[in-house]
Amino acid sequence: GNSVTQMEGPVTLSEEAFLTINCTYTATGYPSLFWYVQYPGEGLQLLLKATKADDKGSNKGFEATYRKETTSFHLEKGSVQVSDSAVYFCALSPRGGADGLTFGKGTHLIIQP
Amino acid sequence: GAGVSQSPSNKVTEKGKDVELRCDPISGHTALYWYRQSLGQGLEFLIYFQGNSAPDKSGLPSDRFSAERTGGSVSTLTIQRTQQEDSAVYLCASSLYRESYEQYFGPGTRLTVT
Repeated sequence: GNSVTQMEGPVTLSEEAFLTINCTYTATGYPSLFWYVQYPGEGLQLLLKATKADDKGSNKGFEATYRKETTSFHLEKGSVQVSDSAVYFCALSPRGGADGLTFGKGTHLIIQP
Repeated sequence: GAGVSQSPSNKVTEKGKDVELRCDPISGHTALYWYRQSLGQGLEFLIYFQGNSAPDKSGLPSDRFSAERTGGSVSTLTIQRTQQEDSAVYLCASSLYRESYEQYFGPGTRLTVT
């Protein structure tokens, strides 16, 4: 079956630090990959996506590259802000499937001023 | 425009009672999804609708869970004879069509079974 593994937190960084949140996946075929973010008190929001190998998704200074050879989709940001404090979920969707999204456990990110 | 809405936002019920959770997807979205978010299990996919039909119900945790969607719009998730392990946040999402992959999530219903 499909699965997503991501580093669990909390991850605590200082403002302006470099961020990496690791995500690896197991899936048949060629899934689409996503990062969702859940800010305190808010619902899940799509942060970025990539639908095929070597695609780079980007949004709000965050980036992630679909690496088929390492089955990874690591999230990076060059300089984090306090407002980036949230829970980040890596997820996959099987291409053409109706299985919904398979999520990782989530990584709680805390940015200190 | 309006996003996905869910009601109620919070529900406290006694063990053994039935509950109904409602989801209003974004207007025009043909695909609708239900998920459950709990501390122990994380985010789990429950069921998916394309239009009014649910091709695969195997993700529902038990036969106490059922879901329907009428008119290609509103969906209801029903849990019969609730148990304490049903306590979780139930999330609904919709997408324009199944292949669009971009799902928009509602704020969720927090269910507490006492």
